[in-house]
Amino acid sequence: EAGVVQSPRYKIIEKKQPVAFWCNPISGHNTLYWYLQNLGQGPELLIRYENEEAVDDSQLPKDRFSAERLKGVDSTLKIQPAELGDSAVYLCASSFSGESYNEQFFGPGTRLTVL
Amino acid sequence: GNSVTQMEGPVTLSEEAFLTINCTYTATGYPSLFWYVQYPGEGLQLLLKATKADDKGSNKGFEATYRKETTSFHLEKGSVQVSDSAVYFCALSDVYSGAGSYQLTFGKGTKLSVIP
Repeated sequence: EAGVVQSPRYKIIEKKQPVAFWCNPISGHNTLYWYLQNLGQGPELLIRYENEEAVDDSQLPKDRFSAERLKGVDSTLKIQPAELGDSAVYLCASSFSGESYNEQFFGPGTRLTVL
Repeated sequence: GNSVTQMEGPVTLSEEAFLTINCTYTATGYPSLFWYVQYPGEGLQLLLKATKADDKGSNKGFEATYRKETTSFHLEKGSVQVSDSAVYFCALSDVYSGAGSYQLTFGKGTKLSVIP
């Protein structure tokens, strides 16, 4: 079974430029998460989708960040414009959410460097 | 709110040494507890979990026991190997009613290096 796929793996951009990250979750997983991981820190949730609906985006900086999950499968996270402080690893995870606990599976992440 | 505190690294051990990584938590409800591992260049992987008090999670020689009275979930391994070198994250979750999906709250991670 294929895992969570993310692309690109690495991205280097100049500040004020836009950038987008793509995530393909595990087939059949209805819940998708985007996390931000700063250097030396644990991941922090940015947004959680149940199917195509964003059910928790309270930590997403909406002035510059946006996300979408069309058709409830793939998802894209965008930053426009990027700032120096956005340099971090952006992780995508997915799970199948039902009546009981279900494990989140993580992708390898996209490492963003803003110059 | 929820929070997780784990011992700061880096931790450097010789092969076959005993490992303990401390983790304590603060939560308003009755969370599930997890240890995730991140090998170099890879995504986070679930190492083990415990969903209620006194449960012991175990995997690949690692163990952790959910201690409600001390709000702890310390990770242990009796004999580490070079291949265990990675970053270890303690995490907790609250199960949301209805949907069954949940948010993970992570500690800052502890980097373990095992030398031959």
